[in-house]
Amino acid sequence: AAGVIQSPRHLIKEKRETATLKCYPIPRHDTVYWYQQGPGQDPQFLISFYEKMQSDKGSIPDRFSAQQFSDYHSELNMSSLELGDSALYFCASSRDRAETQYFGPGTRLLVL
Amino acid sequence: AQTVTQSQPEMSVQEAETVTLSCTYDTSENNYYLFWYKQPPSRQMILVIRQEAYKQQNATENRFSVNFQKAAKSFSLKISDSQLGDTAMYFCAFMAHFGNEKLTFGTGTRLTIIP
Repeated sequence: AAGVIQSPRHLIKEKRETATLKCYPIPRHDTVYWYQQGPGQDPQFLISFYEKMQSDKGSIPDRFSAQQFSDYHSELNMSSLELGDSALYFCASSRDRAETQYFGPGTRLLVL
Repeated sequence: AQTVTQSQPEMSVQEAETVTLSCTYDTSENNYYLFWYKQPPSRQMILVIRQEAYKQQNATENRFSVNFQKAAKSFSLKISDSQLGDTAMYFCAFMAHFGNEKLTFGTGTRLTIIP
């Protein structure tokens, strides 16, 4: 069965640089969620989209923005990167709102 | 706001034995879902089992089953005939049914299966 695809899988950036993370949901899933997992921590919700509209917003820094496109893929844009942004970033998708979320493999971001 | 508490940071059990992981939660919602996700060393988040709050019957998936006590706001995971591949971090998670569909996770239980 098709799974959530995330790219890139690994990313190394310098402080103050910009990064773009991409997420391709499972086919026919219209809802996308972004989570951030720091070392030794549980995943924290950042933002979600339903039918290309922002659905919910969590503890996402103002330096971050995201959107969902017409083909339902989503991108998380991160600017002015800080050392503390180093984390594993997950995208999850679901068939509808309030349905089971299936996670992608994550993007490991390291900020030097 | 919802909170999820996992009071067992680490557990270990012999292969083929049964182990139970605890989870409690706090919410004012009446309709919600509870999940257990597994995160092996690869750090992939894998769905283990899901429980709808309106269902009284406990969910079961092969060797994995839950004990859902809605009044007590308790949601434990039982792993039977544990296998080496069950070694992972296990996260309990809460999701409201409507209006706030983000997952709220507990801090996790690191489970080690000993050969």
